[in-house]
Amino acid sequence: DAGVIQSPRHEVTEMGQEVTLRCKPISGHNSLFWYRQTMMRGLELLIYFNNNVPIDDSGMPEDRFSAKMPNASFSTLKIQPSEPRDSAVYFCASSFGSSTNEKLFFGSGTQLSVL
Amino acid sequence: RKEVEQDPGPFNVPEGATVAFNCTYSNSASQSFFWYRQDCRKEPKLLMSVYSSGNEDGRFTAQLNRASQYISLLIRDSKLSDSATYLCVVSLEYGNKLVFGAGTILRVKS
Repeated sequence: DAGVIQSPRHEVTEMGQEVTLRCKPISGHNSLFWYRQTMMRGLELLIYFNNNVPIDDSGMPEDRFSAKMPNASFSTLKIQPSEPRDSAVYFCASSFGSSTNEKLFFGSGTQLSVL
Repeated sequence: RKEVEQDPGPFNVPEGATVAFNCTYSNSASQSFFWYRQDCRKEPKLLMSVYSSGNEDGRFTAQLNRASQYISLLIRDSKLSDSATYLCVVSLEYGNKLVFGAGTILRVKS
């Protein structure tokens, strides 16, 4: 069981650059979530997909953020252009089913630093 | 008011102590409740779900009080390995959206 796989583990970039974070959910899971964690704001849900369809993107900070899920085994979160305030740990999580009773499995996260 | 509120701590306790955390939530229609554990620089992991009748898993007991809109986590006989951040998680009434509290830091010392 490989778990949720995220890449890269660490990303350091300069302000204005495009950043793409990647996630491979657990095989068979049909819900995928992108979270952001900072000391100030804790864990915030950015967007979640069910059966590859975006269900709720109300947590996406602004138009600079976009997420896609082209198939059941891959999702991306893109920030363009990046800003220093985007620095955070970005977690991807997946679950089986669409109920809120389902256990979330998190990836190891991507530590993003925007200089 | 935040949707989910926790005392950030830290709670510093000796090994063997009993410690309890509370968490309050604002949406009275919330249906699902969980405690997650997060170790330093690691991802959150489910510790236990919280059921209306209360539930126990070894040294851990979780309770829900719908009238007062809070959930609690009790840890008995604390171990050094219990040191972590404990995240209270509540579902909103719509969709599949789980909201995380900011977490309570527990430090168990020998």
